[in-house]
Amino acid sequence: KQEVTQIPAALSVPEGENLVLNCSFTDSAIYNLQWFRQDPGKGLTSLLLIQSSQREQTSGRLNASLDKSSGRSTLYIAASQPGDSATYLCAVRDDYKLSFGAGTTVTVRA
Amino acid sequence: DAGVIQSPRHEVTEMGQEVTLRCKPISGHDYLFWYRQTMMRGLELLIYFNNNVPIDDSGMPEDRFSAKMPNASFSTLKIQPSEPRDSAVYFCASSLLSTSGALGFGPGTRLTVL
Repeated sequence: KQEVTQIPAALSVPEGENLVLNCSFTDSAIYNLQWFRQDPGKGLTSLLLIQSSQREQTSGRLNASLDKSSGRSTLYIAASQPGDSATYLCAVRDDYKLSFGAGTTVTVRA
Repeated sequence: DAGVIQSPRHEVTEMGQEVTLRCKPISGHDYLFWYRQTMMRGLELLIYFNNNVPIDDSGMPEDRFSAKMPNASFSTLKIQPSEPRDSAVYFCASSLLSTSGALGFGPGTRLTVL
């Protein structure tokens, strides 16, 4: 069974600092990995999707890398802003379903 | 394009009552997933469908839970009878391609069973 771990569970940084969020998974036979953002009491917003054949994906200030062989992905958020405060979840897709990590709750202090 | 639509957004019911949650996936998506989110257990997959057919329901916690997808644009998740431990946020998600497509999530239904 796929196990997805996100460390740290919570992170607090001053505005402007770069964020580094980590995700690890136990079974490297994945199809893709997806990063989501969840605001309190809200649904999940997809941020980036990385296919298993890719090494990274970028969207604006966000960059996600994937090292499938070591079972790791990292989400980088450059020049953090208070609006980046949220919980970030990574999910790996093996077979047809997504397995989620518990998330990293980020607070960006103004 | 409209995203995944769920209704109701909030549901408060009493223990023992039947609860029906509804989902309209993104048009053209051939996979539909039901997830449940709680503080204790995070996001758990309950069941998923491919082309309206249930493929894996191993995540459905008990026989009290059932799900149907009568057509490509509609799915229901039913709990009968409901219990306080069923209180959670239930998400519906859909995807276009079998394993390479991104999942789009609905806004969720917050269920409270008193």
